[in-house]
Amino acid sequence: NAGVMQNPRHLVRRRGQEARLRCSPMKGHSHVYWYRQLPEEGLKFMVYLQKENIIDESGMPKERFSAEFPKEGPSILRIQQVVRGDSAAYFCASSPPTGLPQHFGDGTRLSIL
Amino acid sequence: AQSVAQPEDQVNVAEGNPLTVKCTYSVSGNPYLFWYVQYPNRGLQFLLKYITGDNLVKGSYGFEAEFNKSQTSFHLKKPSALVSDSALYFCAVRDNVDTDKLIFGTGTRLQVFP
Repeated sequence: NAGVMQNPRHLVRRRGQEARLRCSPMKGHSHVYWYRQLPEEGLKFMVYLQKENIIDESGMPKERFSAEFPKEGPSILRIQQVVRGDSAAYFCASSPPTGLPQHFGDGTRLSIL
Repeated sequence: AQSVAQPEDQVNVAEGNPLTVKCTYSVSGNPYLFWYVQYPNRGLQFLLKYITGDNLVKGSYGFEAEFNKSQTSFHLKKPSALVSDSALYFCAVRDNVDTDKLIFGTGTRLQVFP
């Protein structure tokens, strides 16, 4: 049973470009969460999605960031016009309809040049 | 708002000795508490959770945690540490009943010396 799959593992972008991070939840999991981890810090919640619905986006920056979890395919975290401060590890987690615990992917490490 | 605190940035312990990684929490209502471990360049691996029931929770890799309501603590423990236990450990609490989003502590780096 494959775990949470994130790709790419590493992503390098120049300032002003777009970054697209993908997450495929575990089989049978319909809840997806995105977290951001800055160097030497804990994880901070960004957004919680179910299929075709954003349930809680209280941790998302108001500008440049968006997320989706379509009916078919992976969840996507999109960052437009990236800036140096977006450099971080972005983790996706999934859980079944019954809820916790969340299971995490290995993350995408985003570096902005 | 819900929160957890991990008062120690780093814990050092000799292999074979017992280890404790501390976590205290602040919640309204009943706490849902978790421990995760993170190895370098990897995601978080679930170790154990407390939702209800026995105060001593047993988890993966020989770890256990004790829920103490009066002290609002949820310390992670292991009777005999291994060098391979060296990693970053995070305590987390569920934020609210409407969403299962987690609030994480700042992490404690465990170093086990041979």
